[in-house]
Parts: sequence; C-alpha cells; structure tokens
Amino acid sequence: QSALTQPASVSGSPGQSITISCTGTSSDVGGYNYVSWYQHHPGKAPKLKIYEVSNRPSGVSNRFSGSKSGNTASLTISGLQAEDEADYYCSSYTSSSIYVFGTGTKVTVL
Amino acid sequence: QVQLQESGPGLVRPSGTLSLTCAVSGGSISSSSGRWWSWVRQPPGKGLEWIGEIHHSGSTNYNPSLESRVTMSVDKSKNQFSLNLSSVTAADTAVYYCARGEGYKWDVWGQGTLVTVSS
Repeated sequence: QSALTQPASVSGSPGQSITISCTGTSSDVGGYNYVSWYQHHPGKAPKLKIYEVSNRPSGVSNRFSGSKSGNTASLTISGLQAEDEADYYCSSYTSSSIYVFGTGTKVTVL
Repeated sequence: QVQLQESGPGLVRPSGTLSLTCAVSGGSISSSSGRWWSWVRQPPGKGLEWIGEIHHSGSTNYNPSLESRVTMSVDKSKNQFSLNLSSVTAADTAVYYCARGEGYKWDVWGQGTLVTVSS
C-alpha cells in the first residue's frame, strides 16, 4: 500500500486561504469517505482536524474544511494564522482494511 | 478526558525487539465496542506510518509491510496496550505514537516516544 501523495510544502500570507491535496486511488481515498486530516507540530502529538472527508471535531476552528473529488481529497485552511504553521497529514481507510497516511505537507505562514 | 502515555526503552540493539506500552487514563480501554487502539510511527525527517491496531477483544490489523515482525496485545486489567516489533534495524528508529481509533479516525494521541536502534 503506497502512501497518499501530498505536496511537500504550501505557503500563504496571514489571512489568505490555502489548499492541500491528498491523492490516492480507488482502493483508498476514492473508495471510502474515511479520509481524515491531522495537524502535527514537531515534538507534539498530532491533532485531528477533519474526519470523514469534511467533518470537524468539536473545538476545531471552522477555518478548516475538507472535501473530496474522485481519488483526491483536499484540506482548505482559510484566514491563515501564524499558529497554523505545521505539518499536515491526510489518512485514508483502504480496501485492505488497513490505513495509509499521506506523505505530509509543510505549511508555512509567510 | 482520555489521555494516552507511551513508555518503553529509548534504545534498542539491532536485531533485538522493540517493546512499548501505551497507558490509557481517564477512560476504559474496553468502553466502546467500536474503538480500536493504534500505533503510528515517524522516522526522523519522514512522514507518519501506521503500524497497526488492536481491539480490546484482542483482534488485530497490521500494516502488511511490518506484519511479519509486529505483535500487539492488550491488558484490560492494567488498561493498557502494547507493541512488540522484532528484528529491528536502524530503519525502525522513530518516534512512536499510540492513538485511539474512533470510527476510522484517531481522536486522541499520546505525546510520542523516541526509540533509537543502535549498538
């Protein structure tokens, strides 16, 4: 099972919106609505931001939103803030009954 | 509020077995039939890798790339679950996280523990 493909880095200025893509196959992203997104600050525990493609856990800012089209899922961060600077990972359930993560995207706030 | 805490040796010799435990506090490891408990790792400078998961019943699912070397177990009396990874090499050096799986997502994570494989 190969890792899902994410851009290595994405950057934006404060207040702007950015979108991170997560591309898989019909056996993972395209086949299930079980895509989740995690924010990871180095040295800390990853934090769930989006689950089941577009759902936000309680307490997560509505600046974070998710969507999916075909085999590609996307995470959009609107109104970018300095605290959003972190690594972001997507994950998907797969047809093999296992999970796969994305390659990770470093978000930089300019 | 459920919290997870990993523990175990920070240094393992090559060809040895890596053993970690994740203590669950603030809730029972058996509290929900739909809940699974996972291990995830991150090698230095690399991304996250799912190692596998265990249900409180003892059922497991492992990453096929590690399946031949991985064993997970659960101890309900101690409210904890464990990871054993055998025949380790330097490539197994990583920060290891335990996480609570709730409906195809991980909503609670431990802080992670660095395990270095070196002689």
